[in-house]
Amino acid sequence: SAVISQKPSRDICQRGTSLTIQCQVDSQVTMMFWYRQQPGQSLTLIATANQGSEATYESGFVIDKFPISRPNLTFSTLTVSNMSPEDSSIYLCSVGTSDTTDTQYFGPGTRLTVL
Amino acid sequence: SQKIEQNSEALNIQEGKTATLTCNYTNYSPAYLQWYRQDPGRGPVFLLLIRENEKEKRKERLKVTFDTTLKQSLFHITASQPADSATYLCARGWGKLQFGAGTQVVVTP
Repeated sequence: SAVISQKPSRDICQRGTSLTIQCQVDSQVTMMFWYRQQPGQSLTLIATANQGSEATYESGFVIDKFPISRPNLTFSTLTVSNMSPEDSSIYLCSVGTSDTTDTQYFGPGTRLTVL
Repeated sequence: SQKIEQNSEALNIQEGKTATLTCNYTNYSPAYLQWYRQDPGRGPVFLLLIRENEKEKRKERLKVTFDTTLKQSLFHITASQPADSATYLCARGWGKLQFGAGTQVVVTP
């Protein structure tokens, strides 16, 4: 199993500022993903965090807005840049191995409110 | 574009009964369908994964079916308990998941 922690757990930010969210896993994992859950909505994949290379973004998400780092197999950061109220969401980190018999795990999420 | 749809109406059910949730998808059948539980303020917790070539999967009181003809997965909670009250999410794929909107289940004593 994998235990995931995220920091911060929640934050309230001003419009135009940036926030970096950290995701720490207690074991080395092959795959790390970042998801967003807007109020009352389901989860939407933002990007795949690739170790040693640039993240792979899903349609509608761009690196300038959501830069991602993944320096090693246990850690990743997601930055929400130049925030607007529309960015108010829960941001979740998810991890898994390349073995599809393994469970995919989600972190507890970071609740972001932009004023 | 591919869609994955769940009943948005909350399912209210009496303790001891079986709750049945529906997940419908469009376009091609995914190789995997997954079901997660999400409690308020928490990340999703994995429950079951069913592969395209599997008809049914069970885990304790949970059962999932996968009908590629109907393009549908059913999720059953048998002998439901108040502790089963949560939102249940269906997702297609593995790793890069496409989630449904979720169905809230409320089990009353």
